[in-house]
Formats: sequence, C-alpha cells, structure tokens
Amino acid sequence: GEDVEQSLFLSVREGDSSVINCTYTDSSSTYLYWYKQEPGAGLQLLTYIFSNMDMKQDQRLTVLLNKKDKHLSLRIADTQTGDSAIYFCAKGFQKLVFGTGTRLLVSP
Amino acid sequence: NAGVTQTPKFQVLKTGQSMTLQCAQDMNHEYMSWYRQDPGMGLRLIHYSVGAGITDQGEVPNGYNVSRSTTEDFPLRLLSAAPSQTSVYFCASREGETQYFGPGTRLLVL
Repeated sequence: GEDVEQSLFLSVREGDSSVINCTYTDSSSTYLYWYKQEPGAGLQLLTYIFSNMDMKQDQRLTVLLNKKDKHLSLRIADTQTGDSAIYFCAKGFQKLVFGTGTRLLVSP
Repeated sequence: NAGVTQTPKFQVLKTGQSMTLQCAQDMNHEYMSWYRQDPGMGLRLIHYSVGAGITDQGEVPNGYNVSRSTTEDFPLRLLSAAPSQTSVYFCASREGETQYFGPGTRLLVL
C-alpha cells in the first residue's frame, strides 16, 4: 500500500525559514495535504495541492511538489514561535494516508 | 456552525468493556470518517462513510463497528475494548477536497 514518510524533528530560530519534507510511494493522481497539530488539539488544514501542480503559495506557506522524486515540501517563511507544532503531510481523497509527522520547534 | 464535535474528550475503560465514541457534524457533509493516532505514527483510517446508510472499512477496522443512520452522526463502537485500542481517536467530515477534524477523544484501556 501507500507509504508516506517524514523526518521526525526540525528545530529553527524565530525569523528563519522552515522546510518540512515528505516523500511518498504511490504516484497516482490525487490531493496532497499539510496539516498542523498543536498539543492536545485536532488537526488544522494548512494547505493542499493537487498532484498535477508543481507549487502553491499561500501567505507565508509555500508547497513544492516534485512528482519525479515523489517529494512534497512545506516552506514556512519568517517562522514564529506560534508555528511550533507537529506537521503532517497526507495523501489521498476519500481515504487519507498520513505521514508520521514532523515536530517543529521554533526557538526565540 | 459548531463544526465537527466529539464526545467524550477522555475515557478510561477496562479490558472487555464496550463503549461508543460519538461524532457529530452540522455542516451537512456526506462523507465522514474515523482515524486513530498513536505515538510516533500518523493517523490511520478505521472506517468511513460516504453517506447515510453506507459505511466501509479503512486500514485498521478490526475491533470497531460503525453505523450511519443520519447525515449528522457517525458513532464508533468498541465492542470489547483491548489495551491495543488505547489511542486518540479523531472524527472528520469532508466537503470537496477539504477534511475537517474534530478535537479528538483520548481513550485509555487498562
């Protein structure tokens, strides 16, 4: 079945850019999502991209999709301490397959 | 709109007990689903429903039952709880390509 992988941890300083990476195995056409989860809370949809797109920008967020390498990334510009959370990539439409999550720690 | 609501927020069960996790949405979404989240893992799909009266299995359905008698409600039943079902459970509903998640139910099975 589909496998979605993420690195476990990323630490950045406030004001820097953060780049969170995700790789997947199934190249079928579908949606790819980025969710944010703060401690004790549910998942908040940040942004998504369809698999026929290369890039999507939404304010401080930039999503890049490399279809050849099956690689998805989320760039957060001017990272703030409030961005500290776990970030999940997910793939699919009716049935989402999630990565393991990347814990982002932003230090002042 | 309240969005997706889940009750209870937290529950402790003994092995073998049964319980129902409640999920409701007031957005008139046809599609609803249940996921579980375990430490160090992403969310895994348990069951989903594409409309009232229609349910199907996800990736990890064993030990769980669902039904969908109304568009608004999608309860998840544990018939005989096991320690392996200790997890955080999230319900979601979908409109188009966007899934909306509830706040979660934290379940501990002793």
